[in-house]
Amino acid sequence: AQSVTQLGSHVSVSEGALVLLRCNYSSSVPPYLFWYVQYPNQGLQLLLKYTSAATLVKGINGFEAEFKKSETSFHLTKPSAHMSDAAEYFCAVSESGSDSSYKLIFGSGTRLLVRP
Amino acid sequence: DVKVTQSSRYLVKRTGEKVFLECVQDMDHENMFWYRQDPGLGLRLIYFSYDVKMKEKGDIPEGYSVSREKKERFSLILESASTNQTSMYLCASRNRRGLAGVVEKTQYFGPGTRLLVL
Repeated sequence: AQSVTQLGSHVSVSEGALVLLRCNYSSSVPPYLFWYVQYPNQGLQLLLKYTSAATLVKGINGFEAEFKKSETSFHLTKPSAHMSDAAEYFCAVSESGSDSSYKLIFGSGTRLLVRP
Repeated sequence: DVKVTQSSRYLVKRTGEKVFLECVQDMDHENMFWYRQDPGLGLRLIYFSYDVKMKEKGDIPEGYSVSREKKERFSLILESASTNQTSMYLCASRNRRGLAGVVEKTQYFGPGTRLLVL
């Protein structure tokens, strides 16, 4: 069965510091992987996705993530945090290739706090 | 841009009431989803609809039902609201086929409805 683990329910960084949010997945087939962001009292917005093309994926707002099959990881990074990055971030996994596999399996989320 | 709208941002209901949550998408997507979001639990799938009049149970369907009479609209129904259904409810839609017929898995979310059951 597929699963997603996000290490750290809360991550705190200073403005201008590196952001690193961790995501590890388990999947018996090559996965599709997603990062979504949720700002307070809003729905989820797609940040970026991996669909078996380039292993380094660039997303919106300066975020990027690298797919590492050997480590079953898809960590999210941003070189320099901005106050507006404060939000909750969700990693999700889905099976690739199968149209009938509609599910996205979500991690429990990581809340990013940015200190001035 | 895909737009998914939900009928209410905040809702307060009493125990035992029948509650309707409405979701509308404007991109002719075949698939639509209802999730609930609770702190520390991430998103859990309640129901899923492949297409009009088609539905499947997700991971936590108990106490809920759904209706999809038109392609753009997917309704979540709480038959008799209970306090443990107090939560954030998120609707999403998905286009099964993306560019060049490639399977597309991305789901697009609405703003959410925060439901409080007293």
